[in-house]
Amino acid sequence: GAGVSQSPSNKVTEKGKDVELRCDPISGHTALYWYRQRLGQGLEFLIYFQGNSAPDKSGLPSDRFSAERTGESVSTLTIQRTQQEDSAVYLCASSLEYSSNEQFFGPGTRLTVL
Amino acid sequence: GQNIDQPTEMTATEGAIVQINCTYQTSGFNGLFWYQQHAGEAPTFLSYNVLDGLEEKGRFSSFLSRSKGYSYLLLKELQMKDSASYLCAVDNYGQNFVFGPGTRLSVLP
Repeated sequence: GAGVSQSPSNKVTEKGKDVELRCDPISGHTALYWYRQRLGQGLEFLIYFQGNSAPDKSGLPSDRFSAERTGESVSTLTIQRTQQEDSAVYLCASSLEYSSNEQFFGPGTRLTVL
Repeated sequence: GQNIDQPTEMTATEGAIVQINCTYQTSGFNGLFWYQQHAGEAPTFLSYNVLDGLEEKGRFSSFLSRSKGYSYLLLKELQMKDSASYLCAVDNYGQNFVFGPGTRLSVLP
């Protein structure tokens, strides 16, 4: 079956613009996760959804970041007024349920803020 | 606070055995993941340990000691394709997932 997909694969934007990143999880996976990975660094956990609910948003780097999920399917990560330090690969993953299950990662969206 | 430590880089020879250590201090703990990430690619799952002890899966084994806040990933019969970053991640139950910085393993012929 289809894996996790993300779009766009690459996004170049100007500082101050808003961007929206999309994640399509594996069908039937109730848990969805967003991570950020700066060049040469480890994964930084941003937020997770169990169903359409995000129990803890404290991992989001600033109030410019927001995420939502609808229909226990697609999720969008929105970054408002982008800054150069937002440049990174944004990875989405999904799993059958939260926590104990293997997370399947998407290919990521490479965001470059000029 | 949350802290996970791994060696930054390791080098080993094809056919050898290598052990990648991970120590953690987190506010909660439900389990520990190991992921493999090749350069420019997304991470892929290797193992998940909840209980103390060693779990073996082919050439890869993962060990956990909850009392010591310690885990390791053991790779046997190294192959060139094993050159990658290995990420240790704590499942901080009900709160978040905390990833270590990753260990970049280079396998030499």
